[in-house]
Order: sequence, then structure tokens, then C-alpha cells
Amino acid sequence: EVQLVESGGGLVKPGGSLRLSCAASGFTFSSYSMNWVRQAPGKGLEWVSSISSSSSYIYYADSVKGRFTISRDNAKNSLYLQMNSLRAEDTAVYYCARQRSSMHFDYWGQGTLVTVSS
Amino acid sequence: SYVLTQPPSVSVAPGQTARITCGGNNIGSKSVHWYQQKPGQAPVLVVYDDSDRPSGIPERFSGSNSGNTATLTISRVEAGDEADYYCQVWDSSSPAVFGGGTKLTVL
Repeated sequence: EVQLVESGGGLVKPGGSLRLSCAASGFTFSSYSMNWVRQAPGKGLEWVSSISSSSSYIYYADSVKGRFTISRDNAKNSLYLQMNSLRAEDTAVYYCARQRSSMHFDYWGQGTLVTVSS
Repeated sequence: SYVLTQPPSVSVAPGQTARITCGGNNIGSKSVHWYQQKPGQAPVLVVYDDSDRPSGIPERFSGSNSGNTATLTISRVEAGDEADYYCQVWDSSSPAVFGGGTKLTVL
């Protein structure tokens, strides 16, 4: 059974940093591109970042470019999101999601809440 | 950047057919994917590549895509279908674009 479990969310002050993790199991993690998608309270889905299976290709939404860094450790079956210079508008539930070849997301984690507030 | 436009809400009586649209410039040339999200839960893929269903998704869920509009159709709507629905495409100018979401209300 495919499982994606996010962790690392919490309350952080504006300008602070946080590192999210996503532990994957039930599939060959190293064969799939992975993504982070977020959802602000009461709002829609917003794609944040993607990383290819071997980390060769990395993309970011303009809203996080230069502040967030996506990475992965295939040996540990884990995906990460390092978030720096956090802003109030980064407050959201952050989901990790597995990407398929036609660029859709077939499995999602349960999400981890990040709150940026003083 | 590429923009996907969905109606904020759609209402339908149980047993009827719900149609949720997703508009975008020449969206018919792209693969469209649809997600269902119930309150407090993660999104679930219900249709991918315009009209394919993942295993476990009822045949009542179907999709189409042509011209400037893609449509998610839910036949014989049930109370359990009440949720937010999002369309998504992959675009070279802005990877993984989501529509704004449509709240489906079952009357």
C-alpha cells in the first residue's frame, strides 16, 4: 500500500525557517518524481515545487522561488522541503504528492500544517 | 502563466447528473486531471488524462475535454459526492496549474 506521511509542520515567526519531511513507503520511491502542494486555510490548491526521480530536474512556483528548497534522499525514501524567510502568506497545509508520467498526482499524504505568525 | 477557471459552486439533487467545467485557453490540447477533496481530507484523484479513472473510482465519474473547456461529469449523484473538485494541467509556463475549485452541493 502506497503511503506518504508528512511531518515537520508547526508555528513559526515571520522570517523564520522550517523543514518539512515526507516519508514514503509501499512503492519504489526512487522511480517517481515528487511534489509539494499547499492549501491555505479556506483556499484552493497551489502547487509549490517538484523534483524528478534522480533530483536532476527541480521546479518552483514563483511565490516560493529563492526561499524554498526541495530535495530528496532516495536511500531513505524521503522528500524534503526547506522553507526559509517564511511569510504569513505561506500559512497552509502542505501535502506531498507522487507524480505520474502524465503529470498528475495519484497519491497524496495527509498534509502538515504550517502557521506563520508572530 | 496558464489560468484554469472553474465555477465556484454547483448544486444538484441526488440521483441527477452534475457537470463541473474547467476553462482554459486551448485546454483541449492538454491532459486534464480532476481531484475530489472532502473537508479535512487530502485530495483524491478521480479522473486523469481527461477521461481515465484510477482503480476504485466509480464509473459514475467521467471526464471530457475539447476546445477551451474540460468537464467532469458525475452521474447518479450521491450525498457522499459532496466535496470540492479541482482540475489540474501541466503547462510549460507554470507547472502543475490548478483551477480555483468547485464546491459540489448535493441538495
